[in-house]
This record gives sequence, C-alpha cells and structure tokens, in this order.
Amino acid sequence: QKEVEQDPGPLSVPEGAIVSLNCTYSNSAFQYFMWYRQYSRKGPELLMYTYSSGNKEDGRFTAQVDKSSKYISLFIRDSQPSDSATYLCAMSEDAGGTSYGKLTFGQGTILTVHP
Amino acid sequence: GAVVSQHPSRVICKSGTSVKIECRSLDFQATTMFWYRQFPKQSLMLMATSNEGSKATYEQGVEKDKFLINHASLTLSTLTVTSAHPEDSSFYICSAIRAGGWGNEQFFGPGTRLTVL
Repeated sequence: QKEVEQDPGPLSVPEGAIVSLNCTYSNSAFQYFMWYRQYSRKGPELLMYTYSSGNKEDGRFTAQVDKSSKYISLFIRDSQPSDSATYLCAMSEDAGGTSYGKLTFGQGTILTVHP
Repeated sequence: GAVVSQHPSRVICKSGTSVKIECRSLDFQATTMFWYRQFPKQSLMLMATSNEGSKATYEQGVEKDKFLINHASLTLSTLTVTSAHPEDSSFYICSAIRAGGWGNEQFFGPGTRLTVL
C-alpha cells in the first residue's frame, strides 16, 4: 500500500463546475498538507498549504484536512479551462530532524475543464 | 518572489556521457534543496536532499555515485548524472526551501527533461 493514495482520474468537467480532488494517506505522522498544480512539462506550483486538521480558503480554492480519517480534499469552485492541469497532493511530517522538508506525493489527478 | 530556475530545460545526450543540471533560487536563499525524478504520468519521487555546505542525503535505491549532487552556495545546487543510460531518461525537478520559511513549503523549478539516446 502506498503512503499516499490519489485517484489519477482523468477527471473531465464543464466550465463552472465544482471540482473535488481527494487523497488518503496511511502515515499518521503527516502534519503538513499541500496541494500543487502542475501543467504539462512544468514544475509543480504550490496552491494551498495547511497544517493539521481544518479548512483553508483562498479565492476559488478550498483545502480540507481530516486527520482522524487520514483524508484531505481540494475543492475548486467555478472551474475554468485554465484550471486544466495535474493536481498533486503532498504531505510531510514534522518540520525538524531528518524529515525536514521531505514531501511524499500522491500520484496526481489529471483535470480537464472544458468550455 | 520565491522563484526557482533550472538549466538546461531540456537535454539530449548519448549513452555514457555525463550531464549536469543546475538549480537556482533566484530571489531567496535556500539552505535546503531537493531533487526529484518524474517519469511520464507518474508522481514525483524524491531522489536526494541537498544541504548547503554538506553532503547530500540520498533516498533508498538512489545511487549516490551515479547522481552527484553539489550544493555549493545558498542559491545553487547541481545534479550530475554520470555515465547516463537510456533508463535515466526522465524529468528531473528541483525544489528549494526558503531560509527562515516554513520547512515544508517548497518552491519547485520548471524541470529538466533528460533524454539519453
């Protein structure tokens, strides 16, 4: 079993739809949770960054973390064609020690928003 | 702010040659940089952690003599793929943690596509 599981999709939605992306994980030591967007042949771009459980909103994006269920989500409201990309969840443990900065990524979900 | 660049963006080389990839933090100092490899339609796999002024720490299964990492300054880390073979063809991506920033907030470079013939 992989430490982080993410449905690879692909996911295709019409413009304006609400998109829900999810990841589950098995490592209870994960405390930092991130969502990255990656366009084809480009490096990942940080979208959302959360610590521990709770919600965080930034414009059309909302990130949710439920540590009790080991489940995180990213919601995209009013999706646009420009949102078409691969979305990667990433997690890490405590910021200190040998795990400093080490991220574990999900497989990525390919999203297409069509006009 | 928080821009990370990589050079070259694309390289094609013959089997057996060595290739150097540079990763630079353009507007911040990075005490720690990471090197990832990404195969088509797969996620990023961490190869090694690069700390300025010290030896890199490699992930299990990554050959340190094949993938040489040098973090010579707070803004530059290099990855050299020695004696490259076709199976080394991949998308190599670096990331950097801003000194004084959150340890888990990383900024990624645009990646380098390596093709070994």
